Amino acid sequence: DAGVTQSPTHLIKTRGQQVTLRCSPKSGHDTVSWYQQALGQGPQFIFQYYEEEERQRGNFPDRFSGHQFPNYSSELNVNALLLGDSALYLCASSRATDSRVFTEAFFGQGTRLTVV
Amino acid sequence: AQSVTQLGSHVSVSEGALVLLRCNYSSSVPPYLFWYVQYPNQGLQLLLKYTTGATLVKGINGFEAEFKKSETSFHLTKPSAHMSDAAEYFCAVTTNTGGFKTIFGAGTRLFVKA
Repeated sequence: DAGVTQSPTHLIKTRGQQVTLRCSPKSGHDTVSWYQQALGQGPQFIFQYYEEEERQRGNFPDRFSGHQFPNYSSELNVNALLLGDSALYLCASSRATDSRVFTEAFFGQGTRLTVV
Repeated sequence: AQSVTQLGSHVSVSEGALVLLRCNYSSSVPPYLFWYVQYPNQGLQLLLKYTTGATLVKGINGFEAEFKKSETSFHLTKPSAHMSDAAEYFCAVTTNTGGFKTIFGAGTRLFVKA
């Protein structure tokens, strides 16, 4: 089992550009959550996808958008990049077998985005 | 809304000493509680979790934590620190608010002195 895989591992973009980050969940998982971790801070919840729909969203602007594909993989898109978007972006997957029962989330190694 | 507070952004202990990392949470519904460890330039690794049942939970690498509902705390301990324990530790709370959402604390950097 490859676990949660994210690509690319590192990325450098210029202000104003757009970026797409990718995540493949752990085998058997159907829910994907994205987090932004700025340097020296804890991960901040961006949004969560289940059944190809955004189910929950944190306090992030509309420049942050996502998508989930039928195979449960997911993309995070950020438009009009700002210097402040520089961070480690983490993807976590889990399995929603029952809306009342939480299964632990597994995290990928993250994508380090640097905006210059 | 749920929140997590980790007391102390930096904790320093000597090798062999007790490790105590503090975490308090706020939640209007029963929470699931987690501790994660993060090594430099890596993702998050689950140390231990509390979902239901026994309030004292044991995790990997000799760590354990106790869920105290009356104190809304979930402090992480290890009897004897090892140099390899030096890392960033995050406490997290997951609640079901129309879908499971996880909120993280700001983290505590653990330093281990020889």
